[in-house]
Amino acid sequence: DGGITQSPKYLFRKEGQNVTLSCEQNLNHDAMYWYRQDPGQGLRLIYYSQIVNDFQKGDIAEGYSVSREKKESFPLTVTSAQKNPTAFYLCASTQGQRENQPQHFGDGTRLSIL
Amino acid sequence: AQSVSQHNHHVILSEAASLELGCNYSYGGTVNLFWYVQYPGQHLQLLLKYFSGDPLVKGIKGFEAEFIKSKFSFNLRKPSVQWSDTAEYFCAVARITDDYKLSFGAGTTVTVRA
Repeated sequence: DGGITQSPKYLFRKEGQNVTLSCEQNLNHDAMYWYRQDPGQGLRLIYYSQIVNDFQKGDIAEGYSVSREKKESFPLTVTSAQKNPTAFYLCASTQGQRENQPQHFGDGTRLSIL
Repeated sequence: AQSVSQHNHHVILSEAASLELGCNYSYGGTVNLFWYVQYPGQHLQLLLKYFSGDPLVKGIKGFEAEFIKSKFSFNLRKPSVQWSDTAEYFCAVARITDDYKLSFGAGTTVTVRA
């Protein structure tokens, strides 16, 4: 079945450490997104990518970095500069930046600080 | 700044009761509208969407939503809820002229008591 795979499901970070969250999709979608979900705040956009080798900052990009070297992969690195990284991270994809294309979501990665 | 407001943080209902969740957005341009649902332990799933045409849209599991352009609203309804409708519900607005970025409401937790 086609879908979005996020790994790991749970991740723990030590102070001062960078960690990378994986997102892979086999839907042949052009656009991919990273969101952060906090209780009572819904989802907030971190980064998005419309095509390979291109990405843009979302609303809360500080302390995060991404790459898009392959169409199917969009990893997110939570750097030590992100002072409040504890959250649930969701990856999504869609066919392209055009109307009538809802986003499909992965199962998420829950990141916690040790 | 563009925002999406969901009126209720937590709604508690008995089975067979009717459900209405409010959603208002502040973006003035052309939008696409979505309701997503997140069942306990599962990923976000698309419940229904509005792109154009009939402002009353029907989704899965007996849900429907009405787009009222003059009120910037997209309220979700279900005439008779079931215990299995217990979930968190998110309203989302895609900004067509802003890279089709999605903005989410804070979510409404719906608890249906048997």
